[in-house]
Amino acid sequence: ILNVEQSPQSLHVQEGDSTNFTCSFPSSNFYALHWYRWETAKSPEALFVMTLNGDEKKKGRISATLNTKEGYSYLYIKGSQPEDSATYLCAYSGGSNYKLTFGKGTLLTVNP
Amino acid sequence: DGGITQSPKYLFRKEGQNVTLSCEQNLNHDAMYWYRQDPGQGLRLIYYSQIVNDFQKGDIAEGYSVSREKKESFPLTVTSAQKNPTAFYLCASSIGAEAGQETQYFGPGTRLLVL
Repeated sequence: ILNVEQSPQSLHVQEGDSTNFTCSFPSSNFYALHWYRWETAKSPEALFVMTLNGDEKKKGRISATLNTKEGYSYLYIKGSQPEDSATYLCAYSGGSNYKLTFGKGTLLTVNP
Repeated sequence: DGGITQSPKYLFRKEGQNVTLSCEQNLNHDAMYWYRQDPGQGLRLIYYSQIVNDFQKGDIAEGYSVSREKKESFPLTVTSAQKNPTAFYLCASSIGAEAGQETQYFGPGTRLLVL
C-alpha cells in the first residue's frame, strides 16, 4: 500500500497571509504528482500535474514545487483570499498506469 | 457545456439491495474512474476503465461492479456484498493517452446512505 501524506491536516489563516502545505510520497517508481483543489459543494478541480524533479508550476497566486528524489512537493499560496478556502489534495502516480493514490488533503480556511 | 454528470445526488439503499450510480461524460475521454471518500480518508480507487469494454479493479473493488459499454458512460453498481456502502462516490475521466500523468476531471459526486 502506497503512503501519500499531507500536512497539516487543516490550516486557518488570515486574508493576505501567505501559506504552504506539504505532500510526501514514495520516491521510488515516481511517475507524476497531481494537485487538486476541492471547494465545498463543488467537484475537485485540477491545479497542477508535475512530472520532473525540480519542476515548479504557477497558476496565479498558487505555485508548487517538486522533489522526486526525497519524495515531497510543496504548494504555496501567496496573499490568501477567502475564495482560496478549500481542501487541497495531492495524488501520486507510481507507474505508467492510470492509478492515482490520493492523500487525505489539507483543509485551508482563509478568514476575511 | 462539456463535463461529467453523476446521478442521483443522494441515494438510499436498503439492506440486501443493489443500487447503481450513474456517471456520464461528454468530454470524449477514453479513461474513466470511480472513487470512494470516507470521512478522514483520501479518495480511494474502486474501478477504472482505460477504454470501452475494458475495466480494471482498483484498491477497494470488493462489493462493487462496473460496466463500460459506451465511451461516455461508466455506471457503478454497489452490490449487497458491500457491507459498508455509506460513503461519497466520485466519478472522474481523463483523456486516456498518458496514463498517470493526465489530469482527471471529476463529477459532482453521489452520496449513498443505507436505510
